[in-house]
Amino acid sequence: RKEVEQDPGPFNVPEGATVAFNCTYSNSASQSFFWYRQDCRKEPKLLMSVYSSGNEDGRFTAQLNRASQYISLLIRDSKLSDSATYLCVVPNTGTASKLTFGTGTRLQVTL
Amino acid sequence: DGGITQSPKYLFRKEGQNVTLSCEQNLNHDAMYWYRQDPGQGLRLIYYSQIVNDFQKGDIAEGYSVSREKKESFPLTVTSAQKNPTAFYLCASSVQGDSYEQYFGPGTRLTVT
Repeated sequence: RKEVEQDPGPFNVPEGATVAFNCTYSNSASQSFFWYRQDCRKEPKLLMSVYSSGNEDGRFTAQLNRASQYISLLIRDSKLSDSATYLCVVPNTGTASKLTFGTGTRLQVTL
Repeated sequence: DGGITQSPKYLFRKEGQNVTLSCEQNLNHDAMYWYRQDPGQGLRLIYYSQIVNDFQKGDIAEGYSVSREKKESFPLTVTSAQKNPTAFYLCASSVQGDSYEQYFGPGTRLTVT
């Protein structure tokens, strides 16, 4: 299994839809996880952190399933402005500071 | 405004030339990082520095060099030894060496022909 694996998409959804992405990770010792958002040709920006079972911020919910080693990102009531690539990020355990980035899942929200 | 700046945004070089990418931060962050991003691939760590005058190789350090003489600055030199230098280069910083929340600069898109 890759260290961090994501479905590249694209996920094409209509405005207002609910969409969910999954990310699987290989290191069972990982304790914290992150979702970053990256717009086309721009830098990644931190969207959400997941330290325990999950986290919710407005329309965005991140959940962690340790038994199956995956995290998910749920976006409710999708907006056109949600169109971006969502990167799943897992810190390397035992090595301070190092993060492993997934290749990202591309979301396109349409009218 | 606090943040991370990278310059230039676009850079074109001929093969065989060394080139230095600038990264400056005024966030008072201790740790700084350099990544490259290629189409269809995740960000890959080139070098990182947790404190001034110290830095470590990342996963793909060959053909690159860095320095960390000041807390605010972490320049990356892409040498002629780097086989495939054309990529999107991203600099990031974080509060402490073991903080996983990294903040990115806008990136430099390097094209070598």
